[in-house]
Amino acid sequence: DVKVTQSSRYLVKRTGEKVFLECVQDMDHENMFWYRQDPGLGLRLIYFSYDVKMKEKGDIPEGYSVSREKKERFSLILESASTNQTSMYLCASSLGKSTNEKLFFGSGTQLSVL
Amino acid sequence: AQSVTQLDSQVPVFEEAPVELRCNYSSSVSVYLFWYVQYPNQGLQLLLKYLSGSTLVESINGFEAEFNKSQTSFHLRKPSVHISDTAEYFCAVSGGYQKVTFGTGTKLQVIP
Repeated sequence: DVKVTQSSRYLVKRTGEKVFLECVQDMDHENMFWYRQDPGLGLRLIYFSYDVKMKEKGDIPEGYSVSREKKERFSLILESASTNQTSMYLCASSLGKSTNEKLFFGSGTQLSVL
Repeated sequence: AQSVTQLDSQVPVFEEAPVELRCNYSSSVSVYLFWYVQYPNQGLQLLLKYLSGSTLVESINGFEAEFNKSQTSFHLRKPSVHISDTAEYFCAVSGGYQKVTFGTGTKLQVIP
């Protein structure tokens, strides 16, 4: 079965720090996604990537950047963390170019910015 | 642009009673529709999806959803819920290139 692994389950950072969230998938999926999940707001797409070195902005990209140097790894970067970026971050992947494919999710990283 | 509306943030229901979780969507193109479930302290997993063909789709654990194009709805139903169905349920739509948009989620609380 597909495994999507997020490097940390819980992370505590200070305002202004640079934060890296790492995600690795082991099934050669083309597409990878970063969402944030907040109570009452559901999942909101931050960035996604459909190929190595390719990235597309989602609905809320401000304050974030991403990196995909290798097919299996997709990193989310907070250049200067702020308290309003405290959230649950979910990474997901899907197989190919079709829009009807299911997403496989990691178990999430709960980030707290103090 | 595409969007999903889940009007009910929480739905309490007694065990063995039926339940319906509502989902409405909007999109300027043809869509694919999904329901994902998130059990406590876990990531999301696909429950069922509508791609084309029969408007009624079923999951392996007794849930079903019906695609209604005229009402732009994709409501999730189960005739008899179990304690183990307690979770948060997310409706999602995919229409544009690889972009999947989620609703705000509905927490189903099954009461013994």
